[in-house]
Amino acid sequence: NAGVTQTPKFQVLKTGQSMTLQCAQDMNHEYMSWYRQDPGMGLRLIHYSVGAGITDQGEVPNGYNVSRSTTEDFPLRLLSAAPSQTSVYFCASSYSGRGVSSYNSPLHFGNGTRLTVT
Amino acid sequence: AQSVTQLGSHVSVSEGALVLLRCNYSSSVPPYLFWYVQYPNQGLQLLLKYTTGATLVKGINGFEAEFKKSETSFHLTKPSAHMSDAAEYFCAVRGTGTASKLTFGTGTRLQVTL
Repeated sequence: NAGVTQTPKFQVLKTGQSMTLQCAQDMNHEYMSWYRQDPGMGLRLIHYSVGAGITDQGEVPNGYNVSRSTTEDFPLRLLSAAPSQTSVYFCASSYSGRGVSSYNSPLHFGNGTRLTVT
Repeated sequence: AQSVTQLGSHVSVSEGALVLLRCNYSSSVPPYLFWYVQYPNQGLQLLLKYTTGATLVKGINGFEAEFKKSETSFHLTKPSAHMSDAAEYFCAVRGTGTASKLTFGTGTRLQVTL
């Protein structure tokens, strides 16, 4: 079983270029999210979605767009890349219902995309 | 809003020694707490999770964590470190609410020496 799949694994962009980081999950999870990981800062939430057609901003949303047209896919778009967006990006998903079964449902992570912006 | 603080960005232990990684949480509601491990060039894997009721939670690879409400702590321990435990460890908290977002600590890198 694939779980959460992210593509590409590595990407180098020049400042001002755009790109889309792909994320797909096959676990029928309603909740999907994007994090960026930077040294000494842990993981910071960029955007998240609780279902198809529903997205919201996390802690560090500036410079990123998302959409959720299907349950399976949650792409992250960089419209005009900046060196400050050099980071490792993780997509994660989990069950999202109501009550305890939702709150203690762990996140399942992809293997990440390492992005360098020059 | 909920948050977690991990004390110590780097911890070094000898193989066979006790591992103790510290995590304190801040939450206005009963928290849902998690520990994740990240091996080099990989995503995060769930080690264990706390749900209301049990104070001692057992996870994979011999790790366990104790929930102490009076100290707002959820420290991770392992009685005897192995070389394969070298990784980065993250504590995370999720409060209740419709979005159920997970907030991570800044991580602790565990080094295991011979």
